[in-house]
Amino acid sequence: TQLLEQSPQFLSIQEGENLTVYCNSSSVFSSLQWYRQEPGEGPVLLVTVVTGGEVKKLKRLTFQFGDARKDSSLHITAAQPGDTGLYLCAGSTDSWGKFQFGAGTQVVVTP
Amino acid sequence: NAGVTQTPKFRILKIGQSMTLQCAQDMNHNYMYWYRQDPGMGLKLIYYSVGAGITDKGEVPNGYNVSRSTTEDFPLRLELAAPSQTSVYFCASRPQGGVSAKNIQYFGAGTRLSVL
Repeated sequence: TQLLEQSPQFLSIQEGENLTVYCNSSSVFSSLQWYRQEPGEGPVLLVTVVTGGEVKKLKRLTFQFGDARKDSSLHITAAQPGDTGLYLCAGSTDSWGKFQFGAGTQVVVTP
Repeated sequence: NAGVTQTPKFRILKIGQSMTLQCAQDMNHNYMYWYRQDPGMGLKLIYYSVGAGITDKGEVPNGYNVSRSTTEDFPLRLELAAPSQTSVYFCASRPQGGVSAKNIQYFGAGTRLSVL
């Protein structure tokens, strides 16, 4: 059972466009993380959010944690080809850092 | 500047063979994790460890074993390989403590395993 549902599964856009990726669950998480993974490599952490309603910005990336801590979104402004990758969300309900991962959203940004 | 190192990078096994996937980190992290990633399924936790001598099962532990004799190493053992264990395996580590923006989990580059 996939506790974290990511949508869409695949997104192809032109350079300069905006995009939003969603991560939804029926579970409440104490923390939620977003990763980007490129082919042949391990996931790389982008952000950790721990407070309901929290918004974090990382250059052109904006991350939001839902008020009820059940969902999150990742918004990319003016996407660039370097943003291409598999975006994964992961939620944790304990302090040991055991995370449940979503299936990922494959983003392709073409020049 | 090694971080988390996984070996081998690729391996093909026959059904019933055994092997050990190696994972080593040089960041003195107490917490270490093994995940498997299947196409379209995200990562699933196999085993984790919060320090030398302490391990516990994750979401999908069947068919695997781990040990943690040192802080640096966290090997994953497959005793009787089955086709269902064909996957990409990732090891990760992070410092001790609760999850926070400053407590970052680092992943290795993965081991791609095929069981035929």
